[in-house]
Amino acid sequence: DQQVKQNSPSLSVQEGRISILNCDYTNSMFDYFLWYKKYPAEGPTFLISISSIKDKNEDGRFTVFLNKSAKHLSLHIVPSQPGDSAVYFCAASAGPNDMRFGAGTRLTVKP
Amino acid sequence: DSGVTQTPKHLITATGQRVTLRCSPRSGDLSVYWYQQSLDQGLQFLIQYYNGEERAKGNILERFSAQQFPDLHSELNLSSLELGDSALYFCASSPGQGNEKLFFGSGTQLSVL
Repeated sequence: DQQVKQNSPSLSVQEGRISILNCDYTNSMFDYFLWYKKYPAEGPTFLISISSIKDKNEDGRFTVFLNKSAKHLSLHIVPSQPGDSAVYFCAASAGPNDMRFGAGTRLTVKP
Repeated sequence: DSGVTQTPKHLITATGQRVTLRCSPRSGDLSVYWYQQSLDQGLQFLIQYYNGEERAKGNILERFSAQQFPDLHSELNLSSLELGDSALYFCASSPGQGNEKLFFGSGTQLSVL
């Protein structure tokens, strides 16, 4: 069951520009959302999270926006750097227990 | 380094065989999660343990089983292997029971030939 969806398998942006990665979810019980970044041959690493009581969370170049009514969240990276090239996973959880992940979006930042 | 250790890194086996994947969580973490990533697929949640007890089950096949031992390490057992079981298997750990970030190991690449 695809409770967390990332509809764009890939995204390519120019260095210095904004990268916007999108994620949609179907389970209205989700109350905690995260973004993970994955480089080849490594496990995913935590990037940024947001609780359902907020609509925005910022950490340096990374900002996550949450639109609960639309069941949509997005990750903005500004400015994008070549080192940001990786696969980005959106994840969501509903209280204690499992965490569900999207299929991932491969971001390529061109110099 | 996430602090989560998975062994082995690579495993090649034949159909019908049984394998065991091992995970040592970060020091102090009580929860262990197992995920499967097939080609071009996202991370499919398999199962979660907290302090030795099963807490949540996802899309885990009946041929698969897992357990968490008193020292908190976990093993994922895959039996009667099929070609479609070839995937990257990740283990993750966290301090509590959920709604917190997970720390992932680097995965075990399983190839069933």
